[in-house]
Amino acid sequence: DQQVKQNSPSLSVQEGRISILNCDYTNSMFDYFLWYKKYPAEGPTFLISISSIKDKNEDGRFTVFLNKSAKHLSLHIVPSQPGDSAVYFCAEGDNYGQNFVFGPGTRLSVLP
Amino acid sequence: EPEVTQTPSHQVTQMGQEVILRCVPISNHLYFYWYRQILGQKVEFLVSFYNNEISEKSEIFDDQFSVERPDGSNFTLKIRSTKLEDSAMYFCASRLLLAGAIVSHEQFFGPGTRLTVL
Repeated sequence: DQQVKQNSPSLSVQEGRISILNCDYTNSMFDYFLWYKKYPAEGPTFLISISSIKDKNEDGRFTVFLNKSAKHLSLHIVPSQPGDSAVYFCAEGDNYGQNFVFGPGTRLSVLP
Repeated sequence: EPEVTQTPSHQVTQMGQEVILRCVPISNHLYFYWYRQILGQKVEFLVSFYNNEISEKSEIFDDQFSVERPDGSNFTLKIRSTKLEDSAMYFCASRLLLAGAIVSHEQFFGPGTRLTVL
């Protein structure tokens, strides 16, 4: 039983358009939600996080939305760039950062 | 910019052998993690380590696994008797813990060690 689900294994978007990556979770006890980006042959890189007490956090082209009632998290990238092509993982963690649960990832391809 | 480093980048071993994967976390970080990613699957949490002891571990982290911070800079993952299914990318990560008075949740990942068990 997956605690963190990313139901779209892949997504293709035209350069300049918006990319929307979705994530659903089952455990309401976690306090923080994070998005990581991963290029092949590299470790995951932190992108953006959101506390469970907020519903939106923005950092440049990246915005994360949290809908706690729906247990749903989304990452918006606008405008999308070819360099954004990577696998994106959502993750949830407790407030102490003792452990994190990662979703299976969504491969984003931004087409020029 | 400081980064997490891992050695070796690729380790090949025979089933039943012991392996030690090494990580050098960012120097002022206080929380350390090991994750693994089996080819084509998701990143899985193995263990977190703080104040020289394990904070949390997953079901995957059984008696065959152990972690150590032997000298204040290295953070190691030992697999005592490797199995074929241990073949995976192993990622080390570290976290600052506090950025000023704010808990920092950002984990910085190393590039990974690819473990191949034959």
